[in-house]
Amino acid sequence: SQQGEEDPQALSIQEGENATMNCSYKTSINNLQWYRQNSGRGLVHLILIRSNEREKHSGRLRVTLDTSKKSSSLLITASRAADTASYFCATADSGSARQLTFGSGTQLTVLP
Amino acid sequence: GAVVSQHPSRVICKSGTSVKIECRSLDFQATTMFWYRQFPKQSLMLMATSNEGSKATYEQGVEKDKFLINHASLTLSTLTVTSAHPEDSSFYICSATRTGNNQPQHFGDGTRLSIL
Repeated sequence: SQQGEEDPQALSIQEGENATMNCSYKTSINNLQWYRQNSGRGLVHLILIRSNEREKHSGRLRVTLDTSKKSSSLLITASRAADTASYFCATADSGSARQLTFGSGTQLTVLP
Repeated sequence: GAVVSQHPSRVICKSGTSVKIECRSLDFQATTMFWYRQFPKQSLMLMATSNEGSKATYEQGVEKDKFLINHASLTLSTLTVTSAHPEDSSFYICSATRTGNNQPQHFGDGTRLSIL
């Protein structure tokens, strides 16, 4: 079942701008992960943040996690046209740490 | 490079045909693999958890006799859509995860199934 809600559903920005996507969830989690999906392809893992972490960086990606608000954000800095894709958050619940529940996704379009 | 291989990438077949999709972990042993279904412009819906050497665990509403899962080795899980009908047309994606806590899932490239 879907537990994550993401906003916005769609985001269109110019190349070079930053893109921020938000994710909310409902249950206690072991970790939260962000994935990217190009159209018609599988998902690519971007970053995993554990429940005891508040912020994590990987290249141009910055993820925050607020367990008190049950929310996370993904920031992509200095976006490129190649960043155009769908982005999903996914939570691993405390009770079933290996199974993921995916959010509804954000479609990001970066215009050249 | 890819760590999970999914085959075939696309299948077009007639109604009533059974279709087998393979998911292989290429460089690690996966005791657990996952099968998802994705409709256009929607998120992934978990269908079942495939456990090596034991029966798969199906999510509520997923017919186990319709979607047969076999996980006979630590690197291979198969999903067979039996007697497929047009409503089974969808994008099916598998994933595998290494053992241990806080491991990401590695996804195959998906199979686009079209039933005529």
